[in-house]
Amino acid sequence: DTGVSQDPRHKITKRGQNVTFRCDPISEHNRLYWYRQTLGQGPEFLTYFQNEAQLEKSRLLSDRFSAERPKGSFSTLEIQRTEQGDSAMYLCASSLGGTESSQHFGDGTRLSIL
Amino acid sequence: AQSVSQHNHHVILSEAASLELGCNYSYGGTVNLFWYVQYPGQHLQLLLKYFSGDPLVKGIKGFEAEFIKSKFSFNLRKPSVQWSDTAEYFCAVKRLGSQGNLIFGKGTKLSVKP
Repeated sequence: DTGVSQDPRHKITKRGQNVTFRCDPISEHNRLYWYRQTLGQGPEFLTYFQNEAQLEKSRLLSDRFSAERPKGSFSTLEIQRTEQGDSAMYLCASSLGGTESSQHFGDGTRLSIL
Repeated sequence: AQSVSQHNHHVILSEAASLELGCNYSYGGTVNLFWYVQYPGQHLQLLLKYFSGDPLVKGIKGFEAEFIKSKFSFNLRKPSVQWSDTAEYFCAVKRLGSQGNLIFGKGTKLSVKP
């Protein structure tokens, strides 16, 4: 099953450290999304790429967060100077273009800040 | 602000009971509607979706949902649940004309007793 792949599955780090997550979308999907999910909440949108262009960013995405999708395939999400409040599950989703496309989600990366 | 409300945080049913999970959204324009399911330890999976046409939508595993535009609702139903339906269920909305990011409800945890 060549679904959306995320790496690592779990990251534990100390407050103040930088972390980077990777997402490999379904190969023919040109749209890629990042979401964040905390306990007891549904996923919250962070940012969106169409091919390599980052077209939308949520207000949740502070200046410590940066996302890239350099060749329009895999994407990385980096968090600098991590804080306790960054502890969450970070989800990646991808979809085809078109108005009736559905998003396919990966397993997520769980970030724990010590 | 746009929001998606799921009325029940946790629903406990016995096998063969009927299920209805509520979902209401606050956006007044044209929307696309989704129900996702997350089985324990797995990623979010699409159950069903509504884009246009017949407001009664059939999904996988015997689930269906009805879009009632006048009530801003998209409730999920299943006539007879199974133990394997134990999971968390998320309703999501996409505004037509948006870049495609989904707005999720907080989720409803369903526990089915054998």
